[in-house]
Amino acid sequence: DVVMTQSPLSLPVTLGQPASFSCRSSQSLVQSDGKTYLNWFQQRPGQSPRRLIYDVSNRESGVPDRFRGGGSGTDFTLKISRVEAEDVGVYYCLQGTHWPYTFGPGTKVDI
Amino acid sequence: EVQLVESGGGLVQPGGSLRLSCAASGFNFNTQWMHWVRQAPGKGPDWVANIKEDGSSKNYVDSVKGRFTISRDNAKNSLYLQMNSLRVEDTAVYYCVWGRGYRWGQGTLVIVSS
Repeated sequence: DVVMTQSPLSLPVTLGQPASFSCRSSQSLVQSDGKTYLNWFQQRPGQSPRRLIYDVSNRESGVPDRFRGGGSGTDFTLKISRVEAEDVGVYYCLQGTHWPYTFGPGTKVDI
Repeated sequence: EVQLVESGGGLVQPGGSLRLSCAASGFNFNTQWMHWVRQAPGKGPDWVANIKEDGSSKNYVDSVKGRFTISRDNAKNSLYLQMNSLRVEDTAVYYCVWGRGYRWGQGTLVIVSS
């Protein structure tokens, strides 16, 4: 199985300041169709996960533009340009290229 | 509006069975791969199984192979997960998911305990 690692596992943030999350896969996530199925999710306490970013860098409809995904191959990042109070939660990366799809352990963000 | 509504969770003894259901609405269910993802208490999510649009292809994570069966009824816009030989480690919230995490249901809690 593809192992996803994330760092840091915990990230204290300051409102209005930037934040950055790292995600690394144990093998390339480029599929035979040329696409890279790396997604980012936010999970607020007591809620279902919500997809923020798909295919590395595409924001879902309704996701604020302060969220930006990037990277390639095996190394990926999620950046928040200015943290807001509603951004508290756990952020997971998911690889959807190789079965079984696998999540990283998550980065917990608190103010 | 897309809706995914899971049901069928509950408390079951080790070795027991449960059948989860997911009622889908608001999108063309019969043209989409569908998935079950679970999340144990205090842990991250884990992908469990998926099924092709017409049910002709199914995939399972190794830990549930031979015990869980995913199925669908496109006429009823419904997804199912038959869970047999349940283990304590199957305790989790089970989510019905459209796409590679595009939309999630609210989840149904399965507790396996004696």
